[in-house]
Amino acid sequence: GENVEQHPSTLSVQEGDSAVIKCTYSDSASNYFPWYKQELGKGPQLIIDIRSNVGEKKDQRIAVTLNKTAKHFSLHITETQPEDSAVYFCAATNDYKLSFGAGTTVTVRA
Amino acid sequence: NAGVTQTPKFRVLKTGQSMTLLCAQDMNHEYMYWYRQDPGMGLRLIHYSVGEGTTAKGEVPDGYNVSRLKKQNFLLGLESAAPSQTSVYFCASTRPLAGVTGELFFGEGSRLTVL
Repeated sequence: GENVEQHPSTLSVQEGDSAVIKCTYSDSASNYFPWYKQELGKGPQLIIDIRSNVGEKKDQRIAVTLNKTAKHFSLHITETQPEDSAVYFCAATNDYKLSFGAGTTVTVRA
Repeated sequence: NAGVTQTPKFRVLKTGQSMTLLCAQDMNHEYMYWYRQDPGMGLRLIHYSVGEGTTAKGEVPDGYNVSRLKKQNFLLGLESAAPSQTSVYFCASTRPLAGVTGELFFGEGSRLTVL
């Protein structure tokens, strides 16, 4: 099955700086790569996703890049704000079962 | 719109006891999932269902059973709880999109402690 590795496990950034989270996957057949954000006490919510026919996708302050040759994808958050503090999960699949990374706890310092 | 609702939200069990977690969704989604979340291990798939009356094993199915008698409900059962099943359980639902899963909608989680 698919194996997704996510780094770093924790990330502390100054408000206004950028944050980058990286993931690698093992199954070259995977073609859908979503990112979920989990706030304290809540379930994860989709924030952005990318499919294998696209190399980069941007939505306001967040962007995702995909390198299918190297089998890795990244989440970029620019101009971080306190409300960006949360746990972020990457995931990958080529069917209807998502495999998740272990998560990154992002803390934005005021 | 309620989305995905899990009950109960908290439960404490003794080793060997049984219980059922209920997940209900009002979005008419075909696919439903049960995940467990443990520190440092992300979300791991326990069981899933691609339609009413069908279920399948995920990554960590041992010690759990599921049923999907109605499209909107997905039940997760623990027949004989063990301390290793102490975790936060999340239910999710979605409809397929272009051959892969669409956006997963998660419930708020059920925190289970087994003593």
